[in-house]
Amino acid sequence: DAMVIQNPRYQVTQFGKPVTLSCSQTLNHNVMYWYQQKSSQAPKLLFHYYDKDFNNEADTPDNFQSRRPNTSFCFLDIRSPGLGDAAMYLCATSRDLGTRSYNEQFFGPGTRLTVL
Amino acid sequence: GQQLNQSPQSMFIQEGEDVSMNCTSSSIFNTWLWYKQDPGEGPVLLIALYKAGELTSNGRLTAQFGITRKDSFLNISASIPSDVGIYFCAGQEDDKIIFGKGTRLHILP
Repeated sequence: DAMVIQNPRYQVTQFGKPVTLSCSQTLNHNVMYWYQQKSSQAPKLLFHYYDKDFNNEADTPDNFQSRRPNTSFCFLDIRSPGLGDAAMYLCATSRDLGTRSYNEQFFGPGTRLTVL
Repeated sequence: GQQLNQSPQSMFIQEGEDVSMNCTSSSIFNTWLWYKQDPGEGPVLLIALYKAGELTSNGRLTAQFGITRKDSFLNISASIPSDVGIYFCAGQEDDKIIFGKGTRLHILP
């Protein structure tokens, strides 16, 4: 039944050691998003893919990259994690872009990243 | 950039009480959204509002899209223990969703 799946749920990495978080969806949605959520804060959009088109938020650090090899999968790569990158990373999908009822964003359960 | 002010930051209530929280913005949105996030999970959409003045219910939840398009409120009636969590308002303009900082709801036994 799971629609947006994130693996792993918990990830521990070392300072500076590259890490990849993964997201998959069974909804066949066109859009996939990555958000960063720090403790007691709101989710913050890092970037999104509309199909294969990548859209980076202006304030997303270069340290964060993403890949979408096909419709179902999207990866978040953190090239050199710093202590400040410890957070919950949320993946979301929507059928399309824009403000219509069928474009609701469905969130995955998140991956909690710890940086030692 | 656009910012949302969500209040209160946290609430402690007795089971059975009604709850009210709201969100204001410095600029207008075309869509207001209310999400709930349980610990260790992603946000789940509760109510979406698409028209100024719209009042929408989802079970014990009621939300309204303010006439000025700069505010929204969420009411929960007769709270139960599973209502515990963080409630986020969010405004959507074009392709971007801006989240408020959340209201953490605690229910006292």
